[in-house]
Amino acid sequence: GQQLNQSPQSMFIQEGEDVSMNCTSSSIFNTWLWYKQDPGEGPVLLIALYKAGELTSNGRLTAQFGITRKDSFLNISASIPSDVGIYFCAGQSLGNYGGSQGNLIFGKGTKLSVKP
Amino acid sequence: KAGVTQTPRYLIKTRGQQVTLSCSPISGHRSVSWYQQTPGQGLQFLFEYFSETQRNKGNFPGRFSGRQFSNSRSEMNVSTLELGDSALYLCASSLFNSLYEQYFGPGTRLTVT
Repeated sequence: GQQLNQSPQSMFIQEGEDVSMNCTSSSIFNTWLWYKQDPGEGPVLLIALYKAGELTSNGRLTAQFGITRKDSFLNISASIPSDVGIYFCAGQSLGNYGGSQGNLIFGKGTKLSVKP
Repeated sequence: KAGVTQTPRYLIKTRGQQVTLSCSPISGHRSVSWYQQTPGQGLQFLFEYFSETQRNKGNFPGRFSGRQFSNSRSEMNVSTLELGDSALYLCASSLFNSLYEQYFGPGTRLTVT
């Protein structure tokens, strides 16, 4: 089945640093979504991407839909303490809607923590 | 607009029992999807409902089932609970179908003992 590889698995940040994370897929996606999840809560949608090559910003967050449609990255500029959490990428493909395609496939997440 | 709500937030059950979880989507949203989140497997798709019909199903055993009501509210049921069913169960709603942006609820934390 479809799989998403998200990296890095975890990273430590200091306030003010820029952060990058990415996802790659073994197959093509038509949509990429980026979510952030805080402990005990559901994922919150950060950015949605619908076209190959699309670059979209949401405040200090910038995400891009890769040209090959098999990858996406998320950048966070000038990180602040509240950026701590787990970030998930999710991809979605069109296809036989009655099967497993069409639903979101999630990466394993990137855990952002504050440097001690 | 109120977000997606899920009840209960926490649940403890014993092996062999069954459980029903509830989800109320964002007002106007007609599609509801359910996901299971565990530390080992991450977020995995269970099923999607639209207009009271299941339109999409993930790779879970038949013990996992769901339904959607005419007001778009959805329930999922797990019968004959196993220890491995302990997880955070998340519901997500979207406007027309899961191809649109999905918005998640806070989840129901199920613990099976």
